Amino acid sequence: GNSVTQMEGPVTLSEEAFLTINCTYTATGYPSLFWYVQYPGEGLQLLLKATKADDKGSNKGFEATYRKETTSFHLEKGSVQVSDSAVYFCALRGGGSQGNLIFGKGTKLSVKP
Amino acid sequence: DTAVSQTPKYLVTQMGNDKSIKCEQNLGHDTMYWYKQDSKKFLKIMFSYNNKELIINETVPNRFSPKSPDKAHLNLHINSLELGDSAVYFCASDWGGGTTDTQYFGPGTRLTVL
Repeated sequence: GNSVTQMEGPVTLSEEAFLTINCTYTATGYPSLFWYVQYPGEGLQLLLKATKADDKGSNKGFEATYRKETTSFHLEKGSVQVSDSAVYFCALRGGGSQGNLIFGKGTKLSVKP
Repeated sequence: DTAVSQTPKYLVTQMGNDKSIKCEQNLGHDTMYWYKQDSKKFLKIMFSYNNKELIINETVPNRFSPKSPDKAHLNLHINSLELGDSAVYFCASDWGGGTTDTQYFGPGTRLTVL
């Protein structure tokens, strides 16, 4: 079945450091890929998405590129801020699933000043 | 205006009780979902309704029963609560028309069973 694997956390960075959170997926067909963010005590918010191979999603300085050849959708940001501290979820939709999102296990990011 | 709202935000109850969580969306979406987030933050689909019709019913105990009175509401009723039901439950909605749709999530309901 479809699945998403993302790097284990927690990840602790200093402010202005470069961030990469790895995400790989297994799916039949052509899924859409998403990054959601959950700030402490809040629900999930869409951060960015990509719906076909080689698409790049971007928002708030975060980027991720849909790589079909490596089945990956790694999240990157050039300079993190304390306010980026949150749990980040990679997810896929489609590719044989019923319409629900299939999530990775989440990566907790803590950014220190 | 809140797009997807859930009540209550926190729910603390005793084992064996019956409780309900309500969800409403004002986005005009056709499809609504319930996800469960466990203590390790792992999110998994439980149910999905499209226009009041059940379309996804994952392997959850039959103590959990979703009810959709109209396409803007999807409530979750849980009978005979157990300790293992403690989790955060998220409601979500979208147009249900394709894999590229963005799902919008509610703020979550933290259920604690004592």
